[in-house]
Amino acid sequence: GNSVTQMEGPVTLSEEAFLTINCTYTATGYPSLFWYVQYPGEGLQLLLKATKADDKGSNKGFEATYRKETTSFHLEKGSVQVSDSAVYFCALSDQAAGNKLTFGGGTRVLVKP
Amino acid sequence: NAGVTQTPKFQVLKTGQSMTLQCAQDMNHNSMYWYRQDPGMGLRLIYYSASEGTTDKGEVPNGYNVSRLNKREFSLRLESAAPSQTSVYFCASSPGHSQETQYFGPGTRLLVL
Repeated sequence: GNSVTQMEGPVTLSEEAFLTINCTYTATGYPSLFWYVQYPGEGLQLLLKATKADDKGSNKGFEATYRKETTSFHLEKGSVQVSDSAVYFCALSDQAAGNKLTFGGGTRVLVKP
Repeated sequence: NAGVTQTPKFQVLKTGQSMTLQCAQDMNHNSMYWYRQDPGMGLRLIYYSASEGTTDKGEVPNGYNVSRLNKREFSLRLESAAPSQTSVYFCASSPGHSQETQYFGPGTRLLVL
């Protein structure tokens, strides 16, 4: 079956530091890959996505590249802000599995001023 | 547009009590989903409805039932609540095409004593 593994948190950073959150996946088909973000007390919202190998998703200064050879979709941001403090979820959607989302366990990021 | 709305925001139940969580979307989406979120486990799919009139089990359906009342509304029912069902429940919707984004509601926090 499909699965998503992401690094456990919490990740604590200072403002303007570089952020990387690792994500690897296992899928039976050719999945689309997503990063969702959950701010405190809110639901999840899409941060970025990539639908095929070598695609780069980007939004709000965050980037992730779909690497089929390493089955990875690592999230990066060059200079984080306090407002980036949230829980980040990596997920995949596989047409062979009916397009249902499979989530990783989430990584809590805390950015300190 | 309100997007995806959920009621109630918070609920406390005693073991054995029943309740229904309500979800509605105003985006004319075909597909709707119910997830539960538990610490360190990401989101797990309980039930989903690919289109009006259809429902299917997800990863963790035991102890739950659903009703797709119409295209807008998708309710989740706990017939006899158990402490193991203490969780945060999220409803989501998507247009229904392949590999597309899901849109999440703000969540319902449920405590079963």
